[in-house]
This record gives sequence, structure tokens and C-alpha cells, in this order.
Amino acid sequence: KNEVEQSPQNLTAQEGEFITINCSYSVGISALHWLQQHPGGGIVSLFMLSSGKKKHGRLIATINIQEKHSSLHITASHPRDSAVYICAVDTGNQFYFGTGTSLTVIP
Amino acid sequence: DSGVTQTPKHLITATGQRVTLRCSPRSGDLSVYWYQQSLDQGLQFLIQYYNGEERAKGNILERFSAQQFPDLHSELNLSSLELGDSALYFCASSLLGGGYYGYTFGSGTRLTVV
Repeated sequence: KNEVEQSPQNLTAQEGEFITINCSYSVGISALHWLQQHPGGGIVSLFMLSSGKKKHGRLIATINIQEKHSSLHITASHPRDSAVYICAVDTGNQFYFGTGTSLTVIP
Repeated sequence: DSGVTQTPKHLITATGQRVTLRCSPRSGDLSVYWYQQSLDQGLQFLIQYYNGEERAKGNILERFSAQQFPDLHSELNLSSLELGDSALYFCASSLLGGGYYGYTFGSGTRLTVV
């Protein structure tokens, strides 16, 4: 049983498209994180959410605590957005990770 | 440079051996987290330290141990290594224990067990 489910697993988009990645979780959480992992392997923390919505540049993350669901949106996608996006939940004493969404943005 | 330093970047060792991975957190951060990323299991949380004390424990094997020193750097010790321990090991740091100010990841140590 996976505590965190992400969809889709793979996503190919044309440059400029609006992209949505979804994350559902089954445990009680203190926070949810969206991470970005580039092909070189480095991980960057994009957002930490405990409620509502956050925006940073072209990235928007939302969370619905009642429905145990979060979405990561990328507006006006660009080839440099190509990466694996990972959803992670923090239960306060444990972290669970989704398997990641591999995004490829084609020029 | 994220400010979190992990050494070494690459490590190749034989089964049965013991290795130590090192992590220096970003200046001012008190909390250090260790994660393992393997091809078949994805990212897994191993252990968290906050200001020298163990704070949370995840899927860390008994053959693995960690500590955080007074200068806040942390070491992850892996012993009796098996082929399945081959993975990327990431360290992350945060200002406080709850990560409320976000996390900063190191670039990882790639461990290959042959």
C-alpha cells in the first residue's frame, strides 16, 4: 500500500502548455512538499504546504486537506521545466514519497 | 551550491564493507535529514536529527546508523554492505525541526556496492 500516489507517472508537453501533476495521500500530515529532481540528480524543494495555495513564478501548488489531495501546476511550460516532480508528505515523525512524475517539455 | 555539502560525491566499495557518508548542513540550519533513493524503491526517509538529537526515524536498517555532532554536521554509517544498498544518499537540512522554513538538499552521495 502506497501512502502517496502521484499521477501521471510520465508527462510530455509542448512548450507553453499548462501542466498539472496530482498527488493523493492516505495518512494524516503536518505538511506536504513538492520536490523537483533534475536529470543530474539534484533535488530542489519547491513548495511546503499545510493549507491553501502557494505561488512561485510560473509554479502554483494547492492542497485540499479534507480530500487529501494536492496539485502542482506549471503555467507556460518551458523545456527547462523538464524534470521529475516528487510529492512528499510529512506526518510529523515520518516522511513518505510519491514515485514521481517525469515531465518532458518539448520546444 | 545549495549550501548543504555532502561528501564524498561517489563511492564504490565491496560487499561486507563499511562506509561513512558526511553531510554539512546549510549555515544556521539545526536539522539534518537522510534519505535513500534507489531505482526500485524511490526516495525513502531514513532518519532526522535536530540539534544533535535523533528526532524521527524512518526505514533505516539496523546495519545503518547516524549521528549529528556538536558542530551540526552529520554522518551516516553503513555497515555490512549488500548489493541492494547501492543507491543515492541525500542529506537535507532545515532551520528548525519541522521544516517550516523549507528544506535544502545536498547533491547526494552515489554509493555503488560491488
